[in-house]
Amino acid sequence: AQTVTQSQPEMSVQEAETVTLSCTYDTSESDYYLFWYKQPPSRQMILVIRQEAYKQQNATENRFSVNFQKAAKSFSLKISDSQLGDAAMYFCAYRSAKGGATNKLIFGTGTLLAVQP
Amino acid sequence: NAGVMQNPRHLVRRRGQEARLRCSPMKGHSHVYWYRQLPEEGLKFMVYLQKENIIDESGMPKERFSAEFPKEGPSILRIQQVVRGDSAAYFCASSQQTGVMQPQHFGDGTRLSIL
Repeated sequence: AQTVTQSQPEMSVQEAETVTLSCTYDTSESDYYLFWYKQPPSRQMILVIRQEAYKQQNATENRFSVNFQKAAKSFSLKISDSQLGDAAMYFCAYRSAKGGATNKLIFGTGTLLAVQP
Repeated sequence: NAGVMQNPRHLVRRRGQEARLRCSPMKGHSHVYWYRQLPEEGLKFMVYLQKENIIDESGMPKERFSAEFPKEGPSILRIQQVVRGDSAAYFCASSQQTGVMQPQHFGDGTRLSIL
């Protein structure tokens, strides 16, 4: 079974600085997708960024980028120029791309990011 | 284009009562997923449905919980004879199809509190 591990329960960053959130996963599959979701205090689940495992190029979305290391099964999220609105719980998630799979998301336990003004 | 709509946002029940949680997927989405988030934890998959079919219910407790996604109307997650341990946030997500890179879009969740 696949598992997702986020080893940093809490992180803090100064406004305008850069922070990296860690995520590792375990799978025997070769084809899958990885996601980062943001959950602010309002409790919404907001998709931040996604990565297809077959793509070597790291995904980027404005100030958000990932460092995808397939061999190491690592998928870290880098937030540049941190803003107060980035303060939230961040969840890393895995989804199988295997044919016939249910495509359910498997989440890590989350990292609570605080942004200091 | 309206997002995934869940209602109610908050639901309070006494032990032994029934809870019904509703989810209307995004327009054009025919795949619905339910997840549960216990306090201080990540989301855990419960069930995956397509119209009129349960595809995967491997994450759903065997007793008291059921889900449906009828041909017409929203998906319903039903919890019978609720207990204190059912207190959680329940999230619904929808997607257009599977097998390709289609992200799941989440609703705002229903926070269920059991007295």
